[in-house]
Amino acid sequence: GQQLNQSPQSMFIQEGEDVSMNCTSSSIFNTWLWYKQDPGEGPVLLIALYKAGELTSNGRLTAQFGITRKDSFLNISASIPSDVGIYFCAGSYAGGTSYGKLTFGQGTILTVHP
Amino acid sequence: GAVVSQHPSRVICKSGTSVKIECRSLDFQATTMFWYRQFPKQSLMLMATSNEGSKATYEQGVEKDKFLINHASLTLSTLTVTSAHPEDSSFYICSARDPQNQPQHFGDGTRLSIL
Repeated sequence: GQQLNQSPQSMFIQEGEDVSMNCTSSSIFNTWLWYKQDPGEGPVLLIALYKAGELTSNGRLTAQFGITRKDSFLNISASIPSDVGIYFCAGSYAGGTSYGKLTFGQGTILTVHP
Repeated sequence: GAVVSQHPSRVICKSGTSVKIECRSLDFQATTMFWYRQFPKQSLMLMATSNEGSKATYEQGVEKDKFLINHASLTLSTLTVTSAHPEDSSFYICSARDPQNQPQHFGDGTRLSIL
């Protein structure tokens, strides 16, 4: 089945620094999503990408859908303490029995030091 | 934006008890809802896809008789963990997507602890 490799597994940064994380897949997706999860809560959607090559921003967050459709990255600029949490990439392929199902990366744990 | 409500947020009960978790889409109709399980410091693992008006589709290795899913309306899906045991203790999260194929939006999860 499809597998997502997300890296890095964890990051420890100073407030104000930029952050970059990425996901690669063994097969293609036609949707890439980035979520953030705080402890004890469900994931919250940050950015959705629907087209190969698409670059989308949401405030200090920027994400791109790779040209090969097998990868995506998320950048966070000028990090602040409330950026702390676990970031997940997720991909979906609209076809056959897998329609709408998400495959999640392993997550990136972000710690921001004030 | 889309809101998904999950209830209860936390359950602590004795071994052998059956536990029902509700997932509601509050401002949209969800023909499809998904149930996930998450262990500490791990990613979300899809358990099953809940389809309104039809049987749920379970992922490989998930016992359908253990995890009963009912999607009786366009805004409600329920997951019942039958005869729960300590190994069923986990964080269960639901998600829903609307018919316009928007991205999945997640509930706040249910922390299940079986003593």
